[in-house]
Amino acid sequence: KAGVTQTPRYLIKTRGQQVTLSCSPISGHRSVSWYQQTPGQGLQFLFEYFSETQRNKGNFPGRFSGRQFSNSRSEMNVSTLELGDSALYLCASRQSTGQGYEQYFGPGTRLTVT
Amino acid sequence: AQSVTQLDSQVPVFEEAPVELRCNYSSSVSVYLFWYVQYPNQGLQLLLKYLSGSTLVKGINGFEAEFNKSQTSFHLRKPSVHISDTAEYFCAVSRSGNTPLVFGKGTRLSVIA
Repeated sequence: KAGVTQTPRYLIKTRGQQVTLSCSPISGHRSVSWYQQTPGQGLQFLFEYFSETQRNKGNFPGRFSGRQFSNSRSEMNVSTLELGDSALYLCASRQSTGQGYEQYFGPGTRLTVT
Repeated sequence: AQSVTQLDSQVPVFEEAPVELRCNYSSSVSVYLFWYVQYPNQGLQLLLKYLSGSTLVKGINGFEAEFNKSQTSFHLRKPSVHISDTAEYFCAVSRSGNTPLVFGKGTRLSVIA
């Protein structure tokens, strides 16, 4: 089974621009979560989508948004980029049934805001 | 709300020596516990998880962890490390199957030849 894929792997943007990141979950996984990883704050939860609906949301400003499509692929969007948005953005997918619910992570998208 | 504390930000250890990476959590309810590893320029890979049952959990690559409810700890151990174990290790907690993971700040394990 193919793992979680994320595109692009690297991005450089300028302050004030917006960016869209994409995540394709493992086949059969209906839940997709997004995390931001920075040296200062560590790994922080952004949001989770399940069956095209946002199920959980972290403590991030409204500039961060996401969506999920009927094929479970997900995108996250960051508008009006700030320097502090530079981070590794990780996507994780998991099955929605059964105990454990371990999440499988993609390789991440490294976003640099200049 | 849950929180996770990884007591050591960096742990250097010689090859073939044992290692323990410490993790403490706080939660007022039962939780699921996880250890993930992150190699440079990669995502997170699950090492092991505790859901219920036996408090000693075995994972991949020879790692194991012990859940201690009274001490709210979930320390990760390996009896003999290899150079290839050099990576960052994250402890995480989840209140249930449908809630997000809360991660510790990570411990960087450096294995010295």
